[in-house]
Amino acid sequence: AAGVIQSPRHLIKEKRETATLKCYPIPRHDTVYWYQQGPGQDPQFLISFYEKMQSDKGSIPDRFSAQQFSDYHSELNMSSLELGDSALYFCASSPGFGSYEQYFGPGTRLTVT
Amino acid sequence: QKEVEQDPGPLSVPEGAIVSLNCTYSNSAFQYFMWYRQYSRKGPELLMYTYSSGNKEDGRFTAQVDKSSKYISLFIRDSQPSDSATYLCAMSGDQGAQKLVFGQGTRLTINP
Repeated sequence: AAGVIQSPRHLIKEKRETATLKCYPIPRHDTVYWYQQGPGQDPQFLISFYEKMQSDKGSIPDRFSAQQFSDYHSELNMSSLELGDSALYFCASSPGFGSYEQYFGPGTRLTVT
Repeated sequence: QKEVEQDPGPLSVPEGAIVSLNCTYSNSAFQYFMWYRQYSRKGPELLMYTYSSGNKEDGRFTAQVDKSSKYISLFIRDSQPSDSATYLCAMSGDQGAQKLVFGQGTRLTINP
């Protein structure tokens, strides 16, 4: 079965650079969630989209922005990167707004040096 | 204080043992209770979910929710070395977008 695809899988950036993370949800899933998982920590919700509109926002820094496109893929844009942004970034897709089911991608490991 | 508390372990048991993993929570709005399994450097994988209170069984796994005590559990029977992973409890409400609130995760090792 098709799974959530995230790219790139690994990314190394320097402080103050920008990064773009991409997420391709499972086909026919219209809801996307972004989570950040720091080393040894639980995933923290960042932002979600339903039908290309932002549906909820969590602890996402103002330096980060995201959007969902017409083909339902989503991109997380991160600017002015800081050392503390180093983490695993997961995207999860869901078959519908309000569904409990979230299927996670393999994550993008971002390292900021 | 975190909304969801989970003992991070680590927990190490012999193969075949019964494993009990637990979480407590403080937000009464939570209605969906999930257990995810996460292998090293992989994304969380949904194991089981329960809506509101009650028990749910799936093979060797049993999930229990006690909303009156704000306490949930996952039991693994006849544990196998392949069950070695980090287990995360997660919760959400039942209104609107279902962002998940996770516990810290319990690192479990099943020794052959």
